[in-house]
Amino acid sequence: QKEVEQDPGPLSVPEGAIVSLNCTYSNSAFQYFMWYRQYSRKGPELLMYTYSSGNKEDGRFTAQVDKSSKYISLFIRDSQPSDSATYLCAMSPNTGNQFYFGTGTSLTVIP
Amino acid sequence: DTGVSQDPRHKITKRGQNVTFRCDPISEHNRLYWYRQTLGQGPEFLTYFQNEAQLEKSRLLSDRFSAERPKGSFSTLEIQHTEQGDSAMYLCASSAHRATHKNEQFFGPGTRLTVL
Repeated sequence: QKEVEQDPGPLSVPEGAIVSLNCTYSNSAFQYFMWYRQYSRKGPELLMYTYSSGNKEDGRFTAQVDKSSKYISLFIRDSQPSDSATYLCAMSPNTGNQFYFGTGTSLTVIP
Repeated sequence: DTGVSQDPRHKITKRGQNVTFRCDPISEHNRLYWYRQTLGQGPEFLTYFQNEAQLEKSRLLSDRFSAERPKGSFSTLEIQHTEQGDSAMYLCASSAHRATHKNEQFFGPGTRLTVL
């Protein structure tokens, strides 16, 4: 079993829809949770960085962490065609060490 | 541009050849990480440095792989006797590891290696 599980999709939604992306994990030591966006043939770009459980909002993006369920989510409101990319969740047990990534979910927002 | 840079962006080589990649981190970042990403997968950790010290290596980093960060600034990743299974995107990331800092890792654009 992988430490981080993520549905690879693909996920296709109409412009303006609310998108929900999720990851589950098995290591209860994970405390730091990140979401990255990766366009084709580019490096990952950090979107959200959260510590422990709770919600964090940044513009159209909301990250949720439920440590009791070992489940994290990223919500994208008012999705745009420019949001079409692969979304990677990543997590770490402590600061500064390696990140454990999900496989990524491919998202297409249709105009 | 003050982001992480990697060179070359693409490398095509024949099986058995040696290749070397370079990563220049964000200037004030003291930690540097190497990851490998294959198609349809997330990045997999290879190794990381704090300043010039290599602190951790993944079991994925076979004896054919070696990484250095001689002066605590740029880093090189060398693969000797390349195999077709080494074909992947090699990603570098850096972070400013301090007690009061968030320690987010910022990624470069990657070097795409194709071994024929």
